[in-house]
Amino acid sequence: DQQVKQNSPSLSVQEGRISILNCDYTNSMFDYFLWYKKYPAEGPTFLISISSIKDKNEDGRFTVFLNKSAKHLSLHIVPSQPGDSAVYFCAARKGDTDKLIFGTGTRLQVFP
Amino acid sequence: DAGVIQSPRHEVTEMGQEVTLRCKPISGHDYLFWYRQTMMRGLELLIYFNNNVPIDDSGMPEDRFSAKMPNASFSTLKIQPSEPRDSAVYFCASSLFRGPNEQFFGPGTRLTVL
Repeated sequence: DQQVKQNSPSLSVQEGRISILNCDYTNSMFDYFLWYKKYPAEGPTFLISISSIKDKNEDGRFTVFLNKSAKHLSLHIVPSQPGDSAVYFCAARKGDTDKLIFGTGTRLQVFP
Repeated sequence: DAGVIQSPRHEVTEMGQEVTLRCKPISGHDYLFWYRQTMMRGLELLIYFNNNVPIDDSGMPEDRFSAKMPNASFSTLKIQPSEPRDSAVYFCASSLFRGPNEQFFGPGTRLTVL
């Protein structure tokens, strides 16, 4: 049972435009969500997070939106840059545990 | 800080052989996690430790997999005997204290079982 789902395995966006990566979850007990970015041959690195008490968190070009009623979160990258090309994982945490549940990832390609 | 260190970076072995993956977490981090990445299932948590004690091993696929953390600076994930379906990238991650802290990942070990 995949509690965190990233239904788009890949996304291709032109440089300068907006990239929107989506993530759905099934467990209403998740209280904290994170996005990780992964380059080839490297481990995932933390990008941005959001608590369930918020609906938006912004950090530079990156904004995460949380819609709890829809159990959906999204990552917006504006403007997209070629260096953003990577695999993006969303992850969720349930309040009473220390572990993260990851999605399967979305490969973003930003082309000139 | 050197970050999370994993060895080897690549491992190729034959079915039936024993495989040992190694991890050194970031100094001072209380939590250590072992993940497996596959195309079909993405990043799966296998097991995690808190202060060297295994807390949750529900993600370990079967008895062929075992993990230890003999001290705060070293952990191993062992597969015995290995099978071709174990081929994946195995990541180790560590985090500081409890709470919604991000985890810091190592570069991973790419395991190929022939």
